[in-house]
Amino acid sequence: GAGVSQSPSNKVTEKGKDVELRCDPISGHTALYWYRQRLGQGLEFLIYFQGNSAPDKSGLPSDRFSAERTGESVSTLTIQRTQQEDSAVYLCASSLTRGNDGEAFFGQGTRLTVV
Amino acid sequence: AQSVTQLGSHVSVSEGALVLLRCNYSSSVPPYLFWYVQYPNQGLQLLLKYTSAATLVKGINGFEAEFKKSETSFHLTKPSAHMSDAAEYFCAVRRGQGGKLIFGQGTELSVKP
Repeated sequence: GAGVSQSPSNKVTEKGKDVELRCDPISGHTALYWYRQRLGQGLEFLIYFQGNSAPDKSGLPSDRFSAERTGESVSTLTIQRTQQEDSAVYLCASSLTRGNDGEAFFGQGTRLTVV
Repeated sequence: AQSVTQLGSHVSVSEGALVLLRCNYSSSVPPYLFWYVQYPNQGLQLLLKYTSAATLVKGINGFEAEFKKSETSFHLTKPSAHMSDAAEYFCAVRRGQGGKLIFGQGTELSVKP
C-alpha cells in the first residue's frame, strides 16, 4: 500500500485478555517501530525492528508485551493479560534504513481500550 | 543518551500571530532532527527535518525551523498562524540512519480567532 497500515483501528478488550495489533509497513522499508501514546502524553518507544530482528526492544514495558516481524513485512505487537494501564494508542512507523535521511512514516494507530 | 526537550506543553496564539515552538536536543554527535504534527485522532505527519544540509529548514504548511548547534536548539516557527495549525507538535531526534526516534513530550498549539 501507499502508507503504513495498522489494524484494527480500534480495539476494546476485557482486562486479562490477550490482544494482537498488526502493522503493515510501506513496501521496501526495512526499519519498523512501535510506539505507545497514552492520553495527553508523548510517544513512548517500545521496539525497533531492522528486517525481522529487533536490535532495540528496550521500551517494552513488561514481559506481557512482545512483538515479531515476518521478514521485512508485517509486524504484530501482542499484549498478554491486558491491564487497564495498557489503554493507549499504539502507533507503528516504518522507514528506509538507507537514504531518505531516516524519515519515519506513521500509521493511523490502533486505539486500545481495556475495560 | 539522546533526548529532546520541548518547552511548553501548551502554546496559544492568535490567528495571524507568530508561532514559536521550542525544542532543545542533547546529542553527542550531530543528530537528525524532525518535527512532526499530529491532528486530532490521526497519526503523525512529518513537517520538516534537519539532516545537516542547511541550518534553516523549510517544511510544509509554511513552517520552518533553524538548527543552532551553539544553542542545541531546533525551534519551529511560522510567521502567521492559521486556525488549521491547531494540533500537537512533536520534536524528535535520531543519531544517524536507522535506530529509534526519540520524541519530546509534545506541544499543543491552540489558535484563537
